[in-house]
Amino acid sequence: ETGVTQSPTHLIKTRGQQVTLRCSSQSGHNTVSWYQQALGQGPQFIFQYYREEENGRGNFPPRFSGLQFPNYSSELNVNALELDDSALYLCASSQKLAGGIQLRDTQYFGPGTRLTVL
Amino acid sequence: DQQVKQNSPSLSVQEGRISILNCDYTNSMFDYFLWYKKYPAEGPTFLISISSIKDKNEDGRFTVFLNKSAKHLSLHIVPSQPGDSAVYFCAASFSNSGYALNFGKGTSLLVTP
Repeated sequence: ETGVTQSPTHLIKTRGQQVTLRCSSQSGHNTVSWYQQALGQGPQFIFQYYREEENGRGNFPPRFSGLQFPNYSSELNVNALELDDSALYLCASSQKLAGGIQLRDTQYFGPGTRLTVL
Repeated sequence: DQQVKQNSPSLSVQEGRISILNCDYTNSMFDYFLWYKKYPAEGPTFLISISSIKDKNEDGRFTVFLNKSAKHLSLHIVPSQPGDSAVYFCAASFSNSGYALNFGKGTSLLVTP
C-alpha cells in the first residue's frame, strides 16, 4: 500500500507567477483534500475533490483551483501568486463510501510542498 | 478567525510523566474532534479522535477528554516517551462537512530523557 506523495518537495516562485502542485492519493482512496499551512499556523482547508469535481471549499479566492484525475491523483493550481501564498501545501487523501460518506478519521496526509513566493 | 485554539505553543515534559495538551474551540456546531501528530518533513498523522456524544476516548497511552460545556478538549499522553516529541494539532469538524478539518496552530511537545 503506497502512501500519499506530493511533488515537488520545494518550489520558489516570484510574485505574479502561476504554480501547479501535484498529489498522488493513497492506494484505494478516491478523495483528495488540499490544505495550506502558513508558518506558525495550523493547516487551513482549501478544497476537496471527489469524483473529479470540487466537493467543498474553504475561504480561498478563485485563483486557487484544482483538478482530480481518473486515477484520483490531484493538482492544486495557484494563479497570480502573492507573497502571502508562501506556505506548506498539504494534500490529504481519504475514501468516501457509498453515498459519499467519509470516515473522518481516515484522512492521510502527504509530506507537503513548501512554496516560497519572492 | 481562529475557531480552534491551542494556546500553548510549546510544552516540555520529562520521560515517563504525563503530557497534557489543551485545545479550545469557539464553534458549538463542531461535533467531531481529532488530534494529529506531526514530525518535521512529514505530513500530519492521525492520532486519536472523539465524537461530541462522548466525553472520553482512550487508545493505549493516549486519551482525549472532551468538555462540551467549556468547549475544551485535552490530550493526555501517559507515560510520555522521547519519541512523542512532535507538534500536536487539534482539529474539529462538522457532521455535514466531515471533510473540512479546522486546525489549531499546534503545540510543540518535547519529551526529555
